[in-house]
Amino acid sequence: ETGVTQTPRHLVMGMTNKKSLKCEQHLGHNAMYWYKQSAKKPLELMFVYNFKEQTENNSVPSRFSPECPNSSHLFLHLHTLQPEDSALYLCASSQGPSPADTQYFGPGTRLTVL
Amino acid sequence: AQTVTQSQPEMSVQEAETVTLSCTYDTSESDYYLFWYKQPPSRQMILVIRQEAYKQQNATENRFSVNFQKAAKSFSLKISDSQLGDAAMYFCAYGGSAGGTSYGKLTFGQGTILTVHP
Repeated sequence: ETGVTQTPRHLVMGMTNKKSLKCEQHLGHNAMYWYKQSAKKPLELMFVYNFKEQTENNSVPSRFSPECPNSSHLFLHLHTLQPEDSALYLCASSQGPSPADTQYFGPGTRLTVL
Repeated sequence: AQTVTQSQPEMSVQEAETVTLSCTYDTSESDYYLFWYKQPPSRQMILVIRQEAYKQQNATENRFSVNFQKAAKSFSLKISDSQLGDAAMYFCAYGGSAGGTSYGKLTFGQGTILTVHP
């Protein structure tokens, strides 16, 4: 596998379920990101990790819980979500957090909350 | 806070012709980067072109070029000799440089859907 991969690609869950999204990057990068892409809205940055440390939480509700066990893996744990959380969740990575470092995106997980 | 605005929800172009996508932004920072990203249908988002604010020369990448007007806070993307493979959602984005409040974060516009007609 090369680049940034995300699993699962599609997820349907009820509001009382607990699920996790996984992101893996094979680029040797040190920074990883979660974004939310909703219809007709700009991409919203959710979390930033640099060298496994969280450096940004963009006022994300606590029902979203990120985890970064190492620089190659990033998880987003989901629990008691709301229907408005249905969206495409994108993971990205870059060499560092500088905007001079290109962010490489994964294909996304399409999440539907019933 | 920084904001990025793309006022064209949809644009269309004939194959081989030229199209320009608009983007304006607002910031109080003096040093920053601007980007155009492309998201093809059901495919991964990729970087098209990047502009450093301190560079006066407009960035170019093959058929893609930008018109960066720093004073006007405008950053448009010109696609020349449009191809069917250019059809995608295009996002304008802003990234702040080190020392600024937006360092390490990208702020995206709402996106412009580009359709290319054969």
